[in-house]
Amino acid sequence: AQKITQTQPGMFVQEKEAVTLDCTYDTSDPSYGLFWYKQPSSGEMIFLIYQGSYDQQNATEGRYSLNFQKARKSANLVISASQLGDSAMYFCAMRRGTGGFKTIFGAGTRLFVKA
Amino acid sequence: NAGVTQTPKFQVLKTGQSMTLQCAQDMNHNSMYWYRQDPGMGLRLIYYSASEGTTDKGEVPNGYNVSRLNKREFSLRLESAAPSQTSVYFCASSGGGLPQFFGPGTRLTVL
Repeated sequence: AQKITQTQPGMFVQEKEAVTLDCTYDTSDPSYGLFWYKQPSSGEMIFLIYQGSYDQQNATEGRYSLNFQKARKSANLVISASQLGDSAMYFCAMRRGTGGFKTIFGAGTRLFVKA
Repeated sequence: NAGVTQTPKFQVLKTGQSMTLQCAQDMNHNSMYWYRQDPGMGLRLIYYSASEGTTDKGEVPNGYNVSRLNKREFSLRLESAAPSQTSVYFCASSGGGLPQFFGPGTRLTVL
């Protein structure tokens, strides 16, 4: 069965520092996709970054990068130069296969950025 | 572009009442989804529609029905609401499987 685990219920980071949010996954499918979403206090879900299981390089999007370690089944999100606006819930998610539709989400990590 | 829109934003029901949550997207996406979000549990897939004319069950379909009205619209119906269905409901859409874009959510309370 597929599973996403986010072991950090809450994290604190000082403004302008980098922070890593952990995500491990379990799947027997050779093809899958990994996503990170941000949910600010306003409630909307914002797509941040995507990594395909066959992608050779780690995905990057601005200040976000995904540290993909396939053998360890981990897909950690790294946020560089944290900003106060980064304070939010962050969800790791996995979609099965190319074009697969069922996506499972982790329980989330709440990030607090301190001034 | 409005992206994904949902109505209503808030709703309070009594146990046993029915209601339909509406969702529409203007991104010409083939696939649409309904999720529920409960505290501490992340999002769970209720139903999805891979393309117009098809619908399939997700992780937690019991107590819900869906209709893919056309390519733009995907509705979620609660026939007889129960307190266990108190949650925040999100609609999402995607094209080619990548990635899913979410609506603003509907906060539903069942008394």
